[in-house]
Amino acid sequence: DIVMTQSPDSLAVSLGERVTINCKSSQSVLYSSNDNNYLSWYQQKPGQPPKLLISWASTRESGVPDRFSGSGSGTDFALTISNLQAEDVALYYCHQYYTTPLTFGGGTKVELK
Amino acid sequence: QVHLVESGGGVVQPGRSLRLSCVASGFNFSNCGLHWVRLAPGKGLEWVALISSDGTNEYYTDSVKGRFTISRDNSNNTLSLEMSSLRVEDTGVYYCAKDPSPSGDTTLDSWGQGTLVTVSS
Repeated sequence: DIVMTQSPDSLAVSLGERVTINCKSSQSVLYSSNDNNYLSWYQQKPGQPPKLLISWASTRESGVPDRFSGSGSGTDFALTISNLQAEDVALYYCHQYYTTPLTFGGGTKVELK
Repeated sequence: QVHLVESGGGVVQPGRSLRLSCVASGFNFSNCGLHWVRLAPGKGLEWVALISSDGTNEYYTDSVKGRFTISRDNSNNTLSLEMSSLRVEDTGVYYCAKDPSPSGDTTLDSWGQGTLVTVSS
């Protein structure tokens, strides 16, 4: 199974600050035949289902604010939130869909300082 | 607009069975792979099962193989999860999720609100 390791587990930041969440996979999720990274990022707020923010490591979903961006390739990825807003307080998960069993990172909790 | 509505959750004793359903609307159901994902209390997301658009291919996480069966009815836009020999560790919120590819090998782009399963004596 591909193990997804997120860091940090949690962080507290001030409004307007930049947040970076890291995600490392135990093996590459880059499919060489199409040069796509099979990596997504989700946001989950209490009592709500996960919401897809980023797919293919760096493709922002329609309607997701451009302060959210994804980067990385192979085994090392990052989600960056520039200019943190109050509504961004949530849990964030990375997810690999390169192979079954699909796996998720343990989650990173973003709180306001 | 995509809608996925789960039902069938509840409190069940260990060893018993439960059937979850997910009714979908707002997209071409028969062209999409479908997944079940669960969120256990105090833990992270765990993928449970996947079924391809035509129902011919099914995949499961190891811990549910032989106990859970995923199925779909494309004529009624319904996804199901038959769970048997339930264990305490199966407790959690179960989400159905849509995958835009027929084979279910891309990301999960829409999720239902979830249904809570509690396995307890």
